[in-house]
Amino acid sequence: NAGVTQTPKFQVLKTGQSMTLQCAQDMNHEYMSWYRQDPGMGLRLIHYSVGAGITDQGEVPNGYNVSRSTTEDFPLRLLSAAPSQTSVYFCASSNNAGAYEQYFGPGTRLTVT
Amino acid sequence: DAKTTQPPSMDCAEGRAANLPCNHSTISGNEYVYWYRQIHSQGPQYIIHGLKNNETNEMASLIITEDRKSSTLILPHATLRDTAVYYCIVSSFGGNTGTASKLTFGTGTRLQVTL
Repeated sequence: NAGVTQTPKFQVLKTGQSMTLQCAQDMNHEYMSWYRQDPGMGLRLIHYSVGAGITDQGEVPNGYNVSRSTTEDFPLRLLSAAPSQTSVYFCASSNNAGAYEQYFGPGTRLTVT
Repeated sequence: DAKTTQPPSMDCAEGRAANLPCNHSTISGNEYVYWYRQIHSQGPQYIIHGLKNNETNEMASLIITEDRKSSTLILPHATLRDTAVYYCIVSSFGGNTGTASKLTFGTGTRLQVTL
């Protein structure tokens, strides 16, 4: 199993541009989440999904959209990038069957200029 | 979810036990204590979790006080590879309600293991 994969690893955007951060998992996990981590800070939840077709907002959802059309994929869209969205983005997944462990991807480092 | 308090940093000599404390005085009855760690800039890694009993796995031990207001993560024989930021998180596990996926990370404890 590849686990949780994220692409790209690095991205530089100009203010106002849009882009999609990709996240995929091959563990058949129901739950998937997106977090952002700013320098020297802990992770903050952006959006999460409890299954295909179901998404909900986390702590810091503004400026981001998500969709969950398949169990495997959970893309995060930045609609109009702003410098405040410069951060490292982590995707995570976990099993709905009672497992307590979340598996995190390697992260995408995004810089908005 | 309950808030946690951890020391910002700790040092440990390689081969010695690392004891990382966490206070969670407002924890409620259905909330679990989770520990994750983040090595350098990698994604966080699950270590262990518990409700009220002490727990042990191949990575660490988790000691939870009887009143559940604090806990200690123990790495029995720390190595240089254990240098990381350790996060203590309190969260309810909601099963089908989806709360299992919502973890609130604080700033954690930066553990430095030295020779």
